Order: sequence, then structure tokens, then C-alpha cells
Amino acid sequence: GAGVSQTPSNKVTEKGKYVELRCDPISGHTALYWYRQSLGQGPEFLIYFQGTGAADDSGLPNDRFFAVRPEGSVSTLKIQRTERGDSAVYLCASSLSGNLNTGELFFGEGSRLTVL
Amino acid sequence: RKEVEQDPGPFNVPEGATVAFNCTYSNSASQSFFWYRQDCRKEPKLLMSVYSSGNEDGRFTAQLNRASQYISLLIRDSKLSDSATYLCVPQAAGNKLTFGGGTRVLVKP
Repeated sequence: GAGVSQTPSNKVTEKGKYVELRCDPISGHTALYWYRQSLGQGPEFLIYFQGTGAADDSGLPNDRFFAVRPEGSVSTLKIQRTERGDSAVYLCASSLSGNLNTGELFFGEGSRLTVL
Repeated sequence: RKEVEQDPGPFNVPEGATVAFNCTYSNSASQSFFWYRQDCRKEPKLLMSVYSSGNEDGRFTAQLNRASQYISLLIRDSKLSDSATYLCVPQAAGNKLTFGGGTRVLVKP
């Protein structure tokens, strides 16, 4: 498809389990972002990749969260020892380059994570 | 103080009316500003960008007040399809966009 693709669209897991969320950005987009959105809140920044490297990971809440983008395209957000408070929609976005003067991030439909 | 603050609403608007709401930001270094629209249970999408004092796109007008550090969005002749959450996004240096909590608008017939 032409847009940002995220899988799974829904994930239900138990407290303490490990979870991986995948993002396939728009082809040719070098910048990739992960956000987290809770009900009634705006998207909360987690991490930003420029190519393969994490250019800014200041939004990751703690060391249970980790993200990779080994080949500069697909990215995986990994959450260890999940907690109920991790329940949210995890949004991935990409942009053509790291220059956000146009401000246009293209978002995927999100992965809804529910931790029981 | 939060980086970006928005009245969560909802703003209940009769169809055809005008509605306006503000977004305040704390980082005086912010240079670019964006409004995103998010429909219920959908992803955010860029509505408009603001680089100087304001921008107008059809029924939508954004105005920036740098002295008071707020940006407003005005919607004229509201349509039922304008019902959504509007997210304010100021951009300072770097490529991290910080989203506001959003303002919910409900247009009613």
C-alpha cells in the first residue's frame, strides 16, 4: 500500500508479557516516529529515527521500551514486562526527510495495545 | 506548565456557524506551527501549517500571536464533517513535534 502500515492493529496481552509492534513507513521516507496516544489525550512522542539511528529517544518512558530500525525502513517497537499503564494506541509516522518544515507527518492507523 | 495547552472541549457548534479555539505554547523558540485533524479512532492528518502570522485555507483560518504565545484556529460555515479533534503542534528546533491534547469539535444539525 501507499501509506504507513502498522501491525498488529490490535494486541491484547497479559501483564508481564513481551510485545512487539511493527511499522512499515512510506517508501522513501527516511524519518520515522513513534507516538503513544491514550484515550482523550494527544499523541505523546516516544522516539524518532533518521535512517537507521535513533536521533531522539527522549520520549521513551523507561528502559522497558526499545525501538529498532535496522535497515532504515521497517521499525519495531518492543515493550518488555508490559504493565496495565502501557495500554494505549501506538502510532507510527513517517516523513520524507528529517526536515520537518512542512510539518507533515504521515501516520499509520495505529496498534491498539491492551494489557490485562 | 505544559508545552502545549488546548481547551479539550467539546465545542458544540450549530451547522453553518463559526467556531474558534486557541492553543497556547510555552516554548518561545517555536517557529513553525501546525494544526492536525483527528477523527474518532483514526490517525491524525495535517490540516494546515503556519509559518508567519497566519494562514487561510478555505473555511479554515489560523492566526499566530507570538507575543502572547498562542495560535488560534477558526472554522467558518461549519459542516457536519468538521466534527473531529483538532491537535495543535508547535515546532521548535529539531524534528520532534509535540502535540497538544486536542480540542474536540462537534457540529450539530
